[in-house]
Amino acid sequence: ETGVTQSPTHLIKTRGQQVTLRCSSQSGHNTVSWYQQALGQGPQFIFQYYREEENGRGNFPPRFSGLQFPNYSSELNVNALELDDSALYLCASSLKGVADTQYFGPGTRLTVL
Amino acid sequence: GENVEQHPSTLSVQEGDSAVIKCTYSDSASNYFPWYKQELGKRPQLIIDIRSNVGEKKDQRIAVTLNKTAKHFSLHITETQPEDSAVYFCAASIGTDKLIFGTGTRLQVFP
Repeated sequence: ETGVTQSPTHLIKTRGQQVTLRCSSQSGHNTVSWYQQALGQGPQFIFQYYREEENGRGNFPPRFSGLQFPNYSSELNVNALELDDSALYLCASSLKGVADTQYFGPGTRLTVL
Repeated sequence: GENVEQHPSTLSVQEGDSAVIKCTYSDSASNYFPWYKQELGKRPQLIIDIRSNVGEKKDQRIAVTLNKTAKHFSLHITETQPEDSAVYFCAASIGTDKLIFGTGTRLQVFP
């Protein structure tokens, strides 16, 4: 059984650019949730994907979008980057939604200059 | 709105003492309450969780209690050890598609 992996580990972008972050879910898990964790804060729910469909969204603007692929891996895309988007982006996979044990990946540290 | 409040923000205890962290949630329909431990620079790790049909759950030195009427739940760590030092987050499910986290408690256990 493989754990949740994310790539890249670190990323530096400038304001206005676009970024794509990737997540591979744990073997057998069909649900992926994405979170933004600012320094010293708790993870903030961005959205969840279940069987390739967005299945719930937090209070994030439309420039945060995502995809889930048939193998249940997922991407988080952020357009028109702002300085406040600098954070640790975590994905978590589970068997059936957020009310099931979620296993987190190591995160991608995004810095926007 | 959807909210989880967590207290205290920092907690310092002597090795061997107990530590208690408390959370309050806003959505009476929340039915899943996990606790995560996050060490510096690492991913959150689930340490214990509880569902709304259970009032208390224990796993060795860690226990969680849930009071649905008051909409609060607590994490209890007994016989604390220096390796328990980390940031602890509570969370509550909102419907079937969101998990809202508290703001975290930094626990320091002094030898």
